[in-house]
Amino acid sequence: RKEVEQDPGPFNVPEGATVAFNCTYSNSASQSFFWYRQDCRKEPKLLMSVYSSGNEDGRFTAQLNRASQYISLLIRDSKLSDSATYLCVVTQYNQGGKLIFGQGTELSVKP
Amino acid sequence: ETGVTQTPRHLVMGMTNKKSLKCEQHLGHNAMYWYKQSAKKPLELMFVYSLEERVENNSVPSRFSPECPNSSHLFLHLHTLQPEDSALYLCASSQERQGIEQYFGPGTRLTVT
Repeated sequence: RKEVEQDPGPFNVPEGATVAFNCTYSNSASQSFFWYRQDCRKEPKLLMSVYSSGNEDGRFTAQLNRASQYISLLIRDSKLSDSATYLCVVTQYNQGGKLIFGQGTELSVKP
Repeated sequence: ETGVTQTPRHLVMGMTNKKSLKCEQHLGHNAMYWYKQSAKKPLELMFVYSLEERVENNSVPSRFSPECPNSSHLFLHLHTLQPEDSALYLCASSQERQGIEQYFGPGTRLTVT
C-alpha cells in the first residue's frame, strides 16, 4: 500500500466549478499535513497547511480526518489559473519529519 | 537572487559522462534535500542534509553522490548513469528538518542517453 494515495485524475472542470481532491495516508503516526501545487514543468510550491480543525484560505478549504486518515482539498469557483497538479504531503515524526508526497492529482480548468 | 536556485536547468549526458548538479539557497535555511521526480511517480527523497551533515540516504545508487560544502550549497555528482535515471531533480531547503514547509528550486531536467 502506498504511504500517501491520491486520485490520479485528471479532473477536467469548467470555470466556476467546485472541485474536491481526496488523499489517504497509511501511517497513523503521520504528524503534519500539507497541500502543494505544482504547475507544469515547474517546482512544487506550498499551497496550504492542513490543520485538525480544518482551515480555509480564500477559495481553498482543507480538511483533515485523523480517525479515517483522510485529507481533502476543496476549491470553489475554480479559475483557469488553478490548473495544476495538487500534491498531498504528510510528514511522520518517526521518520525524522521527512515529507512523503502523493503522486498528485491533475486539475484542468476549462473556459 | 532569491529563494532556491538550481543549475543547470537542463542537462543531457551520456552514460559514461560525469556531471554535477548545483543548488543554492538564499533563505538562511539549515536543511537541504535532493528529490527525484519521474513521470507519473511521486517525488522520491534521495538525500537530506541538516547542518551540512548527511542525515538520510534513501538507498540511492552510488552513481549519485551528494556534497554539501556549507549550509547554502548542495551538489549532486553524477557518474555512469543509466537511461532510467532520466528525471527532474529537485533541490529543496527548509529551516529545520522536522516536517515544515520546504522551498523547492526549479529543478534540473536530466536526460541520460
